[in-house]
Amino acid sequence: DAGVIQSPRHEVTEMGQEVTLRCKPISGHNSLFWYRQTMMRGLELLIYFNNNVPIDDSGMPEDRFSAKMPNASFSTLKIQPSEPRDSAVYFCASRLGQGNTEAFFGQGTRLTVV
Amino acid sequence: KQEVTQIPAALSVPEGENLVLNCSFTDSAIYNLQWFRQDPGKGLTSLLLIQSSQREQTSGRLNASLDKSSGRSTLYIAASQPGDSATYLCAVTSGSARQLTFGSGTQLTVLP
Repeated sequence: DAGVIQSPRHEVTEMGQEVTLRCKPISGHNSLFWYRQTMMRGLELLIYFNNNVPIDDSGMPEDRFSAKMPNASFSTLKIQPSEPRDSAVYFCASRLGQGNTEAFFGQGTRLTVV
Repeated sequence: KQEVTQIPAALSVPEGENLVLNCSFTDSAIYNLQWFRQDPGKGLTSLLLIQSSQREQTSGRLNASLDKSSGRSTLYIAASQPGDSATYLCAVTSGSARQLTFGSGTQLTVLP
């Protein structure tokens, strides 16, 4: 398996623009996480899906952020409109089952909002 | 709400030393604990997973222990090498939603 695949790897956008980050989990995994990592705050859980259903979205910072998982092999995280403080590395992770197995991470998307 | 703490935040050791990294968590009702490694500019690589019923797990020069009742885990690295230099993060799965909560990591530097 190719592991968790995220795209794009790098994204530079202007403030106010819409940004869409994409994630393909490992085939067969039914749990998917979106995290944001910054120097100041470390790894923050944004949203967690199980069987394509959002289980916990309490970490989504505000209404500008939205996430979808239309099927078991694809998820998106959208920021609209983007702001400079959204600049961070966004990671997607997946695992099999509901908590007894390893989580595997993608390589991340480095987002810069100027 | 689960909180995970890692001490120290940074550690520098000479090559060949054995070392211990610490992780503590506030809610002992966990399903498992996972140790990760992160190299600069890279994603997280899973090192070890310990189930709540286990006391330790070993992989090569790495040994992770878990004391669930006291809310602590340690990662022991034997005979450290410069290639071990990275940030090490621990994460616990807990709560009714089985979230994965991370500590802030320990940045390890092994000097040649």
